[in-house]
Amino acid sequence: EAQVTQNPRYLITVTGKKLTVTCSQNMNHEYMSWYRQDPGLGLRQIYYSMNVEVTDKGDVPEGYKVSRKEKRNFPLILESPSPNQTSLYFCASSLFGTANQPQHFGDGTRLSIL
Amino acid sequence: GDSVTQMEGPVTLSEEAFLTINCTYTATGYPSLFWYVQYPGEGLQLLLKATKADDKGSNKGFEATYRKETTSFHLEKGSVQVSDSAVYFCALSDRGGGATNKLIFGTGTLLAVQP
Repeated sequence: EAQVTQNPRYLITVTGKKLTVTCSQNMNHEYMSWYRQDPGLGLRQIYYSMNVEVTDKGDVPEGYKVSRKEKRNFPLILESPSPNQTSLYFCASSLFGTANQPQHFGDGTRLSIL
Repeated sequence: GDSVTQMEGPVTLSEEAFLTINCTYTATGYPSLFWYVQYPGEGLQLLLKATKADDKGSNKGFEATYRKETTSFHLEKGSVQVSDSAVYFCALSDRGGGATNKLIFGTGTLLAVQP
């Protein structure tokens, strides 16, 4: 089954404790991206990757890191999480880019930073 | 910069009522336009899309027409069902200047359909 898998689905942690949210897709997609969803703000793009070893900032990259060492994986790293990063996070992938491509979304990761 | 504006919700309708969710956009180039739907506890799913002016996207009884003159992409359905209850997001991807790598989302509109 074609899917985007995020882990964990839920995480409660404390300020400053490094965490990684994993994202994996099995569709051989070149493009992957991360979004955060906050009430009243919709989805905002954090980072995206056009292909292996190619990443770029989205609209809200501060406090986040990403890497793309393999085509299927695109982890989101919070080196020193802060309470303002409490949010619902989504990973998405597509064959290439966003112009005419449907994005395939994971089911989301709800992070709470205390 | 590019932006998407959606009507605020929640929108509450009775089953079989007509649905309109307004969406307008601002873009510097020639955007593709999308509607995504998010059911409770799930990720977003593409509902429909349109890639150029006057295109009509349609799926599952939903329709939206790309109106360049009014910079709009309103979502409509003639007869909603309880199972349509979800959050609907309008989004654009601007192809101008090679900027094809970002999706800009609206804030989302919660639709609640009552039996």
